[in-house]
Amino acid sequence: EDQVTQSPEALRLQEGESSSLNCSYTVSGLRGLFWYRQDPGKGPEFLFTLYSAGEEKEKERLKATLTKKESFLHITAPKPEDSATYLCAVNRGGSEKLVFGKGTKLTVNP
Amino acid sequence: GAVVSQHPSWVICKSGTSVKIECRSLDFQATTMFWYRQFPKQSLMLMATSNEGSKATYEQGVEKDKFLINHASLTLSTLTVTSAHPEDSSFYICSARFAGGGRTQYFGPGTRLLVL
Repeated sequence: EDQVTQSPEALRLQEGESSSLNCSYTVSGLRGLFWYRQDPGKGPEFLFTLYSAGEEKEKERLKATLTKKESFLHITAPKPEDSATYLCAVNRGGSEKLVFGKGTKLTVNP
Repeated sequence: GAVVSQHPSWVICKSGTSVKIECRSLDFQATTMFWYRQFPKQSLMLMATSNEGSKATYEQGVEKDKFLINHASLTLSTLTVTSAHPEDSSFYICSARFAGGGRTQYFGPGTRLLVL
């Protein structure tokens, strides 16, 4: 069974304090790993798709990396507006489904 | 690009009534649309997957007769919650993906349903 575990569950940072969120996964035949940002009361906003180990993608202060067992979302010099829940999801071959982790709630204090 | 809308954004209804939620892909043709529900402080749970012109595929434990899904066109899917009860109160979110976009799903803003 596909499994996605995100850690930590919650993270508090000071503005400018860089850190990383972790997404560990178990899936047979990974076809994609996805990062989303979700603000309270809203749908998830797409951030990145990673397809193979070693792949990296960047967007503003965010950088996502992928290994064969986990993915990291690195946040460099975060700002208060980066506060949100970050969701990780995986897709395996032969399936349309995304399997989500429970998310990491990030709070960035000014 | 890849914008998905939902309507309504929130709805309050009486127990026993039916509620329809629309999901539209605004700037692309969606090969597949998905419906999720999300309870407070929990992650997204897939309810069903639908392709235009064919019957939806429901996840285990999701009642087909209660959650009716119609995928009438490449840009529109609807979810009807029939004979709604308070336990159906939740946050319903749709997503869509398009040909050439891989497995990436783009999500709508969600619909908050409260059944009294």
